[in-house]
Amino acid sequence: SAVISQKPSRDICQRGTSLTIQCQVDSQVTMMFWYRQQPGQSLTLIATANQGSEATYESGFVIDKFPISRPNLTFSTLTVSNMSPEDSSIYLCSVGAGDRGTKNIQYFGAGTRLSVL
Amino acid sequence: GNSVTQMEGPVTLSEEAFLTINCTYTATGYPSLFWYVQYPGEGLQLLLKATKADDKGSNKGFEATYRKETTSFHLEKGSVQVSDSAVYFCALGIYNQGGKLIFGQGTELSVKP
Repeated sequence: SAVISQKPSRDICQRGTSLTIQCQVDSQVTMMFWYRQQPGQSLTLIATANQGSEATYESGFVIDKFPISRPNLTFSTLTVSNMSPEDSSIYLCSVGAGDRGTKNIQYFGAGTRLSVL
Repeated sequence: GNSVTQMEGPVTLSEEAFLTINCTYTATGYPSLFWYVQYPGEGLQLLLKATKADDKGSNKGFEATYRKETTSFHLEKGSVQVSDSAVYFCALGIYNQGGKLIFGQGTELSVKP
């Protein structure tokens, strides 16, 4: 398994500002994912971030709102831009770990709990 | 398309009761199936997995069997503890879709002493 550290663990922000969330992994991984978990809801994939290529965004999410960086195989950031109260959620980073016997397994960070006032 | 449906919660049980959380899926390929658990205030932890039909995943007394004929992956535990109180997510992944996981809506379990 992988150990994933997310920073910050929580934040309270003013509307119109931006927050950058960091995700650090203790080993090199190819695939990293960013999810949003709105209060009381399931996880929704925002984008897949693979090193050396542009992030791939899911329907309903755009790069201008959620820019992602992936500078190397152990680190990624997600920025939530021009925030509104509707962006209040838990944001989770995960990494893909797989070989032929463990397809699609993902390991998650503890999440960033964001409240926008 | 691909989707996962879980039984609605919250589920409230007494300690040592039997637990079943139903999960059914729809998939166009050959999915792997997972149960993740989210304890209060924490991220998701992989609980168990199954990668092909008839596989049984097990961990910490929890079990789930990959049933292709009924497209199900129900989570069971014979005797729950207060410490099992958490939200449980069923998920599927299809390898040729970039490693993405699709999650069910989650089922909140509350175990009372």
